Amino acid sequence: AQSVTQLDSHVSVSEGTPVLLRCNYSSSYSPSLFWYVQHPNKGLQLLLKYTSAATLVKGINGFEAEFKKSETSFHLTKPSAHMSDAAEYFCVVSVVSGTYKYIFGTGTRLKVLA
Amino acid sequence: GAVVSQHPSRVICKSGTSVKIECRSLDFQATTMFWYRQFPKKSLMLMATSNEGSKATYEQGVEKDKFLINHASLTLSTLTVTSAHPEDSSFYICSASPTGGAGNTIYFGEGSWLTVV
Repeated sequence: AQSVTQLDSHVSVSEGTPVLLRCNYSSSYSPSLFWYVQHPNKGLQLLLKYTSAATLVKGINGFEAEFKKSETSFHLTKPSAHMSDAAEYFCVVSVVSGTYKYIFGTGTRLKVLA
Repeated sequence: GAVVSQHPSRVICKSGTSVKIECRSLDFQATTMFWYRQFPKKSLMLMATSNEGSKATYEQGVEKDKFLINHASLTLSTLTVTSAHPEDSSFYICSASPTGGAGNTIYFGEGSWLTVV
């Protein structure tokens, strides 16, 4: 069965320092993976997605993620955190089970300290 | 980018009444839309997959008679919470994909806060 695990429920970084949000997936097939960001009381915005093309995926706002099949990981990184990056981040895997659907990780809340 | 609009953004209703939430894809057609529920500080829980012109597919544990989903056109899906109770209070989010397929991006609405009093 397909699933996604976000290893950290909370991450705190200082402004200007690197960000690492971890995600591991489980999939019987070549997965499609996404990272979404949710600001308080808002919908979700796509940061980036992986769909079996380049393993290093660049997204919006300076974020990128690397698909590592050997480690079944899809960690999200950013070289330098900004205060506006404080939000909830969700790793998502899409699966095909009859029809297709999207399975969400439990989320990681990123806090950026001044 | 693709835009998905949800309405209303906030609604308060009395216990026992029904409330409808609309999800519209504004600049693309969506054969499939998804409805999620999110509890405070929790992840999104898929409730059902809405397919245009056919019955919705509900996830295990979701009452289909309580959460009525209608996807009457390629740009509109509605979620009706029937005989609402305080425990139905939650943040409901819809999403849609311009084309079908597991690798395609889904775009989210801004969500609808439902409070049942």
